[in-house]
Amino acid sequence: NAGVTQTPKFRVLKTGQSMTLLCAQDMNHEYMYWYRQDPGMGLRLIHYSVGEGTTAKGEVPDGYNVSRLKKQNFLLGLESAAPSQTSVYFCASSYLSGRGGYTFGSGTRLTVV
Amino acid sequence: AQSVSQHNHHVILSEAASLELGCNYSYGGTVNLFWYVQYPGQHLQLLLKYFSGDPLVKGIKGFEAEFIKSKFSFNLRKPSVQWSDTAEYFCAVRNNNDMRFGAGTRLTVKP
Repeated sequence: NAGVTQTPKFRVLKTGQSMTLLCAQDMNHEYMYWYRQDPGMGLRLIHYSVGEGTTAKGEVPDGYNVSRLKKQNFLLGLESAAPSQTSVYFCASSYLSGRGGYTFGSGTRLTVV
Repeated sequence: AQSVSQHNHHVILSEAASLELGCNYSYGGTVNLFWYVQYPGQHLQLLLKYFSGDPLVKGIKGFEAEFIKSKFSFNLRKPSVQWSDTAEYFCAVRNNNDMRFGAGTRLTVKP
């Protein structure tokens, strides 16, 4: 089973450029999440989705947009990248109850220069 | 909003030493508690979880954690660490849709 797949794995952007990170899960999970991981700060929730067609803001949503047009996919967009968005981005998914914990993707390392 | 504190940023141990990593959270309602491990260059993997029942939870690879409700704590333990336990460990607390992570503790085990 693939679990949670993120693409791309690495990306370098120039300030002001835009890009979309794709997350796909094959476990039929209802919930999906986007986190960013920065040294000394753990993981911080950017946006999440509790089902197809729904999204909600997390702790640090500014500068990001998301969409969940299909249950298995959760897209994270940066409209105008800034150096402060240099980070490692992780997608995760879970069942409705969350009892099984989250399944994480392998991450996308993004550098904005 | 709930928050999660991990007391140690970096712990260095020799093989066979015992490990205890602290985790405290600041939410008074019903929570689910987790420990995740992140090996170098990899994604987070679930070590163990607590939802209810026995406050002493056993996870994979010989890890265990104890939930002490009165102290709002969920400390991770292992009696004898191995070099392969070198990784970063994250405590997480979930209430409804809100999962908060601690800043992480980096564990280095010397062979």
